[in-house]
Amino acid sequence: GDSVTQMEGPVTLSEEAFLTINCTYTATGYPSLFWYVQYPGEGLQLLLKATKADDKGSNKGFEATYRKETTSFHLEKGSVQVSDSAVYFCALAHTGNQFYFGTGTSLTVIP
Amino acid sequence: DVKVTQSSRYLVKRTGEKVFLECVQDMDHENMFWYRQDPGLGLRLIYFSYDVKMKEKGDIPEGYSVSREKKERFSLILESASTNQTSMYLCASKSGSANSPLHFGNGTRLTVT
Repeated sequence: GDSVTQMEGPVTLSEEAFLTINCTYTATGYPSLFWYVQYPGEGLQLLLKATKADDKGSNKGFEATYRKETTSFHLEKGSVQVSDSAVYFCALAHTGNQFYFGTGTSLTVIP
Repeated sequence: DVKVTQSSRYLVKRTGEKVFLECVQDMDHENMFWYRQDPGLGLRLIYFSYDVKMKEKGDIPEGYSVSREKKERFSLILESASTNQTSMYLCASKSGSANSPLHFGNGTRLTVT
């Protein structure tokens, strides 16, 4: 069945460091891919999405490219800030309403 | 912006109580969802609804029921709360279009003592 695997955390980075959070997926056909962010005490917010191969989603300095050949959707940011500290979830959606989430990667950015 | 509102941020209930968690969305979305989130287990789907009065079981429906009498409102019901239902509960909505994302509320942290 469909599934998402993302890198284990927690991840701790210094401010202005480069961020990569790996996400790979297993799915038949052509799912849509998403990154969500969850700040402490809040629900999940959509960060970015991509709906077909080679699409790049971007938002707030974060980027991820839908790579069908490697079944990956890695999240990157060139220079993280303390305010980026949160839990990040990779997700895929196949056939409409069925979403599959990774287990989340906790990021802490220290000044 | 889509707004999904969960009626309570924190709830404390006793074992055996009947518990209602309410969720309202303001974007006329056809689909609404209830997830629970637990450390190490990620998000697990409890129930979803694709139309008024329609519902489908998710991965962990046992001990829960739902109600969708109006399009904008989706309620999760714990018929007899148990301590293993202590969790963060997240409501989400989604439009009918195939590639649209889920929009989440801020969550309800339920503690059952």
